Amino acid sequence: DAGVIQSPRHEVTEMGQEVTLRCKPISGHDYLFWYRQTMMRGLELLIYFNNNVPIDDSGMPEDRFSAKMPNASFSTLKIQPSEPRDSAVYFCASRESGNEQFFGPGTRLTVL
Amino acid sequence: GQQLNQSPQSMFIQEGEDVSMNCTSSSIFNTWLWYKQDPGEGPVLLIALYKAGELTSNGRLTAQFGITRKDSFLNISASIPSDVGIYFCAGRRDNNNDMRFGAGTRLTVKP
Repeated sequence: DAGVIQSPRHEVTEMGQEVTLRCKPISGHDYLFWYRQTMMRGLELLIYFNNNVPIDDSGMPEDRFSAKMPNASFSTLKIQPSEPRDSAVYFCASRESGNEQFFGPGTRLTVL
Repeated sequence: GQQLNQSPQSMFIQEGEDVSMNCTSSSIFNTWLWYKQDPGEGPVLLIALYKAGELTSNGRLTAQFGITRKDSFLNISASIPSDVGIYFCAGRRDNNNDMRFGAGTRLTVKP
């Protein structure tokens, strides 16, 4: 079975550009999470959805970050405009009610 | 906020040795989880603990949920080279979706 799928796996962009990260959760999972991992702050929850509805976005750093989940099989995390301090690995995870989260392989973002 | 203190930060051991790492918190958690992350991959769940005092094994891995609910440890017995990676603890309170992660323990196993 396919796990959580993320694309791209690597993204290099210049400061000021828009970045869009994509996630396909495991089929049947009704929760989707976006995390950011950095050396300084470790793994941080940015936002999560339940049945495509954003439930808690208190971890989103600022207005430059936005996330959408237009349907049960797709979510995006967008940064506009990007800044060098946004450089990190971004993980998507999904879970089925009552079970634990499965993480995707991550997108390594570098903002020059 | 709810801080998880994970130690040690890194370990360098010889193949065959046993490993122990732990996580402590100033707050109570109702669930403790241990993940392993390989380079270039996402964290993979190793063991989940749901009850204070619970001791759970998964192969050579054993983890315990502290009786105070403020700590957990993970032991790896007879380490092998493929145990190399970063191990994270995670704690969760009543909200089933708000997990806090430790900073990780980087394990290196010398053959």
